[in-house]
Amino acid sequence: DAGVIQSPRHEVTEMGQEVTLRCKPISGHNSLFWYRQTMMRGLELLIYFNNNVPIDDSGMPEDRFSAKMPNASFSTLKIQPSEPRDSAVYFCASGLAGGRPDTQYFGPGTRLTVL
Amino acid sequence: DAKTTQPTSMDCAEGRAANLPCNHSTISGNEYVYWYRQIHSQGPQYIIHGLKNNETNEMASLIITEDRKSSTLILPHATLRDTAVYYCIVRVSQGGKLIFGQGTELSVKP
Repeated sequence: DAGVIQSPRHEVTEMGQEVTLRCKPISGHNSLFWYRQTMMRGLELLIYFNNNVPIDDSGMPEDRFSAKMPNASFSTLKIQPSEPRDSAVYFCASGLAGGRPDTQYFGPGTRLTVL
Repeated sequence: DAKTTQPTSMDCAEGRAANLPCNHSTISGNEYVYWYRQIHSQGPQYIIHGLKNNETNEMASLIITEDRKSSTLILPHATLRDTAVYYCIVRVSQGGKLIFGQGTELSVKP
């Protein structure tokens, strides 16, 4: 079992550039979550999908952030344009809604640095 | 989802039991108590969850008070690899988001 796969693991970019983070959830899971973690704000949920449909995007900071899930095995989180305050570790998690237990499995994260 | 309160940090000697408390006095009848932990530089990891009965699995035990206003996560024989931030989360079980607080930073010392 490969677990949740995220790429890249590290990303360094300059302010104003577009950044795309990628996630492959665990096969068979029907929920996918994007989180952001910083020292100041801790671990925050940005958006989550059920069956590829966005359910709650209230945590998305602003219009510069967008997330898509074109199919059950792939999701992207895009930041355009990026700003230094976007520097954080971004985690993707997947789960089986209604499963027993209804838990989330986290990927290793992408460490983003915006200069 | 109900709010939880945890101590900021705790120490535990290697080989001893680590008891991590959590207060959730506003928990509703349909809300579960979940525990996750995050080892440095890794993604959070599910540990255990429960509704009102005590639960045990290969990682830990969860003790929930009768009034469900607090709970304790027990790591029976802590090792150095258990050093992590432990999050207590209360939420309705069926789908939806996890709301992480600040958690308890557990340091297991030799």
